[in-house]
Amino acid sequence: SQTIHQWPATLVQPVGSPLSLECTVEGTSNPNLYWYRQAAGRGLQLLFYSVGIGQISSEVPQNLSASRPQDRQFILSSKKLLLSDSGFYLCAWSLGEAMNTEAFFGQGTRLTVV
Amino acid sequence: QKEVEQNSGPLSVPEGAIASLNCTYSDQGSQSFFWYRQYSGKSPELIMFIYSNGDKEDGRFTAQLNKASQYVSLLIRDSQPSDSATYLCAVDTGGFKTIFGAGTRLFVKA
Repeated sequence: SQTIHQWPATLVQPVGSPLSLECTVEGTSNPNLYWYRQAAGRGLQLLFYSVGIGQISSEVPQNLSASRPQDRQFILSSKKLLLSDSGFYLCAWSLGEAMNTEAFFGQGTRLTVV
Repeated sequence: QKEVEQNSGPLSVPEGAIASLNCTYSDQGSQSFFWYRQYSGKSPELIMFIYSNGDKEDGRFTAQLNKASQYVSLLIRDSQPSDSATYLCAVDTGGFKTIFGAGTRLFVKA
């Protein structure tokens, strides 16, 4: 069966510090990978998605970046965090572009920038 | 800008009642529609998906889709306190992207 691992679960970082969140998927090949952010009381905002190694699409211009060094690994990074980067970050995967493409989410990382 | 709109709530219903959650979307080309449940502090989990006009039933849950009106809804029959959560409507707009609404908070009172 497929599983998705995301870490860390919680993170407190000072403004201006770097960020690296990692996500790995097991049990499937060539998944579509996504990073979402959910601010308090808000919906999920799509940040990045990737359909293959080295292929990254950015949805929102900001100080975050993403990389996909391996088929089932997706990394979210920042060189300098802002207060507005605080939120609940969710990694997700799905298969294909067909109808009924369910997204499976990791446990999430709650980031607080202080 | 493709959008998915939901009433943020909270929607409060008594135990055993029917809870009705609504969602509208802006992209007429959208083909797949999803309802996710998210408990506080947890990640979303899929409840149902629907892609054809009409109703789709799964246990206590019924999803309804009207593409002409760009409207999708979720009915929860015999609501239980364990159904208390935020319900996210999501729309597959094609190109590997799924857009989520802000969610409706549901409280089921025992």
